[in-house]
Amino acid sequence: EIVLTQSPATLSLSPGERATLSCRASQSVSSYLAWYQQKPGQAPRLLIYDASNRATGIPARFSGSGSGTDFTLTISSLEPEDFAVYYCQQRSNGGLTFGGGTKVEIK
Amino acid sequence: QLQLQESGSGLVKPSQTLSLTCAVSGGSISSGGYSWSWIRQPPGKGLEWIGYIYHSGSTYYNPSLKSRVTISVDRSKNQFSLKLSSVTAADTAVYYCARMLRYFDLWGRGTLVTVSS
Repeated sequence: EIVLTQSPATLSLSPGERATLSCRASQSVSSYLAWYQQKPGQAPRLLIYDASNRATGIPARFSGSGSGTDFTLTISSLEPEDFAVYYCQQRSNGGLTFGGGTKVEIK
Repeated sequence: QLQLQESGSGLVKPSQTLSLTCAVSGGSISSGGYSWSWIRQPPGKGLEWIGYIYHSGSTYYNPSLKSRVTISVDRSKNQFSLKLSSVTAADTAVYYCARMLRYFDLWGRGTLVTVSS
């Protein structure tokens, strides 16, 4: 099973600041990685797929990069609605795992 | 617009079988070549993939749950289902159904299932 490790666990930032979230895989997942945003009491929402492609309706301030084992989600300038938990997810060889999540909180 | 809605028992006794259904509305479960999935989230914790059923009917399960999980689809009712046997308190979670092509692009709102006597 491929393990995804997200860091940091919590990121304390102010609106307008840049957020950089990391996801590291225990073995290569090529570019088969997605990012999701989850707000309290809501289902997750797909933000980024195939490491760097924004899903439908996702603002341009969200961007993803990386391949192999190291991936990054960047929020260029935090809006109030961006404070949430973010998960990465990989799919390979029929298996599928999520990372443990990064909480982006208001500083 | 396609929507997913989970339903089922919110309280299950230990050792019994958890049963949930996900109704698909606004479109056919058989179109588009999608897979249909279940994911769960224990209170205050992260997401855990349970399994999915391909449009072909093939199933793939999380190895850690495989011996207890069955996912099936009822195309006549436009829905798919989850059964998880021999539940314990560790199975208490919000259970989500989701549509997947290669990633989960559409989710239900989730339903809380509590395992308790």
